[in-house]
Amino acid sequence: DARVTQTPRHKVTEMGQEVTMRCQPILGHNTVFWYRQTMMQGLELLAYFRNRAPLDDSGMPKDRFSAEMPDATLATLKIQPSEPRDSAVYFCASGLVKDGTTSQETQYFGPGTRLLVL
Amino acid sequence: KNEVEQSPQNLTAQEGEFITINCSYSVGISALHWLQQHPGGGIVSLFMLSSGKKKHGRLIATINIQEKHSSLHITASHPRDSAVYICAVRNTGNQFYFGTGTSLTVIP
Repeated sequence: DARVTQTPRHKVTEMGQEVTMRCQPILGHNTVFWYRQTMMQGLELLAYFRNRAPLDDSGMPKDRFSAEMPDATLATLKIQPSEPRDSAVYFCASGLVKDGTTSQETQYFGPGTRLLVL
Repeated sequence: KNEVEQSPQNLTAQEGEFITINCSYSVGISALHWLQQHPGGGIVSLFMLSSGKKKHGRLIATINIQEKHSSLHITASHPRDSAVYICAVRNTGNQFYFGTGTSLTVIP
């Protein structure tokens, strides 16, 4: 049963600390999305990748956030330094876009990383 | 003004009722997604639409591109349908916009 995995599931840290969240997309998927969800803002897209290249990261605060795909099986989202306002649930999703088709892939969501910055 | 508006915000229904959730958007889109978020927080993608209508079990999603409107229908609703339903659109520039969600409670 293929699914997107995220680690850690929960993270509590103090402001100023670095936070790294990891995502393992479904094997064979070539797009990866990072989302953030808060009560106030709802769901927001932070960044997404296709074939490991960043396509859009306009939703991500560049001064403290960075997203990478070191290889096709791992996506990372880092916050440095973390701030209390970064407290949220961070979801990763993956999908498959077939060559020659438009960008209309179904996304499969991971369980999320619940982050609390004190 | 939000690019994506959903209505209603909250909805309570009796088991068996037919339910409609609406989504209106103001941008040109390449795709519209309906997501379901369970009380435990997990998110499931229900539909991805660019035109017409899709059906999966008791769920039906329609989209009218000219009117910039989509609806999600649930037939014969069941308590396990209780969740937050989120409409999301991808515009032609590959940016995503999200509705604030519709919280559905189905009472036995």
